Amino acid sequence: AQRVTQPEKLLSVFKGAPVELKCNYSYSGSPELFWYVQYSRQRLQLLLRHISRESIKGFTADLNKGETSFHLKKPFAQEEDSAMYYCALSGPGGYNKLIFGAGTRLAVHP
Amino acid sequence: DAGVTQSPTHLIKTRGQQVTLRCSPISGHKSVSWYQQVLGQGPQFIFQYYEKEERGRGNFPDRFSARQFPNYSSELNVNALLLGDSALYLCASSSPGAGTGARYFGPGTRLLVL
Repeated sequence: AQRVTQPEKLLSVFKGAPVELKCNYSYSGSPELFWYVQYSRQRLQLLLRHISRESIKGFTADLNKGETSFHLKKPFAQEEDSAMYYCALSGPGGYNKLIFGAGTRLAVHP
Repeated sequence: DAGVTQSPTHLIKTRGQQVTLRCSPISGHKSVSWYQQVLGQGPQFIFQYYEKEERGRGNFPDRFSARQFPNYSSELNVNALLLGDSALYLCASSSPGAGTGARYFGPGTRLLVL
């Protein structure tokens, strides 16, 4: 079955602390993995995609096919990082549905 | 570019009524997909349309239907509304085959069924 699991509903850290948002997936084949973020009162936005291997707003995510994981990391959290983060996968090429995890709320305290 | 736009922003209906939600994709994007987001959960896939043809359907009853127009805009229709249909309905546009399957989401239509 195709599934995305985000085990933490809430991750609470202090400003300057490292952050790791966990994401595990189940998919037979080669999926595309994404991280989406939703700031308060804003639309769901694409943060990262694994094929780009980019760093956005200091966040990185590495696809580990052996562990079927795509954890999101940032070495030093900022208060403006507080938001809802969703991990998602789809089949390659954009012709398939996007499957989301339940989301993790990141709260960064001053 | 204004990004993906959706209308209306909010809607209140009663059980048994019908509702139509609208979406305009990013210019140049030929695929539109619809998602339902219930409070506290991640978005759930409803439909995907590409070049005006249905390319995928999620696990939703036949009360849900959609279509895509020649200008690539789309409508989602829900008949015989139930209380459980109350949710945020998201539209996303994408450009399949462009090297990535990234979807770009609209602000959503919040539907409340009383």
